[in-house]
Amino acid sequence: QSALTQPPSASGSPGQSVTISCTGTSSDVGSYNYVSWYQQHPGKAPKLMIYEVSKRPSGVPDRFSGSKSGNTASLTVSGLQAEDEADYYCSSYGGSNKNWVFGGGTKLTVL
Amino acid sequence: EVQLVESGGGLVQPGGSLRLSCAASGFTFSSYWMHWVRQVPGKGLVWVSRIKSDGSTTSYADSAKDRFTISRDNAKNTLYLQMNSVRAEDTAVYYCVRGDGYAYFDWGQGTLVTV
Repeated sequence: QSALTQPPSASGSPGQSVTISCTGTSSDVGSYNYVSWYQQHPGKAPKLMIYEVSKRPSGVPDRFSGSKSGNTASLTVSGLQAEDEADYYCSSYGGSNKNWVFGGGTKLTVL
Repeated sequence: EVQLVESGGGLVQPGGSLRLSCAASGFTFSSYWMHWVRQVPGKGLVWVSRIKSDGSTTSYADSAKDRFTISRDNAKNTLYLQMNSVRAEDTAVYYCVRGDGYAYFDWGQGTLVTV
């Protein structure tokens, strides 16, 4: 059982927007603005898409955005494209006891 | 371009040992925290361990404590994970990851450990 809770699946049609949630606790997501999101295509290594809740690394399209409210973080993918179909994982720093925790992953399907 | 190349994975018997290596290039290795993250095929990501840029501080997930040892050789730009007393549940792809702040910015391609 993962420390952070994500829906197992999400879907949307090309051009639409989809939001993936990531629920933690007051000792991880709720305490730190250190939530990050990773995209993983089959057979590939994960790729950082969002860090520190809402920042995008260089090269990540601005269609990807992140936010947080209380113990829940969210990743929104706008203007869905076929190449966005992948697994998405959230992660949060959980302090010196928990260190880093991940969500169980969400499979995003572009219909 | 950042490159992280893991090696050392393979088949190991329960109770045995294995040392994973990660050769880093394309960045100043000695300036960054480094991590190991693992993934059971078809399952989610799990943080395993981290080591400070100068090697002075290490942390482990409970599942790795007292069995795994993370280390680094900054002169060789190489990260290591010594895995002892391995168990079936350690079977996974192990990723070497460059940390920056509190996120994992660059990932290797992973090396599969099968127990």
